[in-house]
Amino acid sequence: QKEVEQNSGPLSVPEGAIASLNCTYSDRGSQSFFWYRQYSGKSPELIMSIYSNGDKEDGRFTAQLNKASQYVSLLIRDSQPSDSATYLCAVIGRGSSASKIIFGSGTRLSIRP
Amino acid sequence: EPEVTQTPSHQVTQMGQEVILRCVPISNHLYFYWYRQILGQKVEFLVSFYNNEISEKSEIFDDQFSVERPDGSNFTLKIRSTKLEDSAMYFCASKGQTSNTGELFFGEGSRLTVL
Repeated sequence: QKEVEQNSGPLSVPEGAIASLNCTYSDRGSQSFFWYRQYSGKSPELIMSIYSNGDKEDGRFTAQLNKASQYVSLLIRDSQPSDSATYLCAVIGRGSSASKIIFGSGTRLSIRP
Repeated sequence: EPEVTQTPSHQVTQMGQEVILRCVPISNHLYFYWYRQILGQKVEFLVSFYNNEISEKSEIFDDQFSVERPDGSNFTLKIRSTKLEDSAMYFCASKGQTSNTGELFFGEGSRLTVL
């Protein structure tokens, strides 16, 4: 079982619409969750972090965490062409793996004008 | 704004040669990481380093790989005898907070091409 799973996409969303990206993780004890954005040929950059169940909003981005379902999502409102990128879900394990941050394979998002 | 810096940005080497990739993490950070990304594939964890020793390493991080923090500022990844399949982008990252929280800050990456 993969530790962090994402749909690879591509996910195509019209400009101005809401993009919804999903992620599931296998380690039930995971405590920390992150969304990164990666443009082609560039390094990942942090968008959001979330540590508690529920929603966390930052501008056009909302992260949602459901630990019971082992599910993390990212909503992007009012999608812009500049949002076209690969979105990586990342999880920190617990205990002996607490310093090991694992990335999903990423979802490629394309915003069409 | 503090940033993680990596050198070289691109290195081409012959199979079997040793390669050292260098990183300067953000100065007050405590946790250091190397990841690699083969073209078109996922960002893969290689190793984490804390308090001058390896905290975690993946199956990829075999005896051909080593890490070092030689002088309190640099953090290096050495590949002793490169193979064709080592061709990838290598990202250094650092994290400032306790192990279960805190965000990773990535460098721009070092692209390694093994011929």
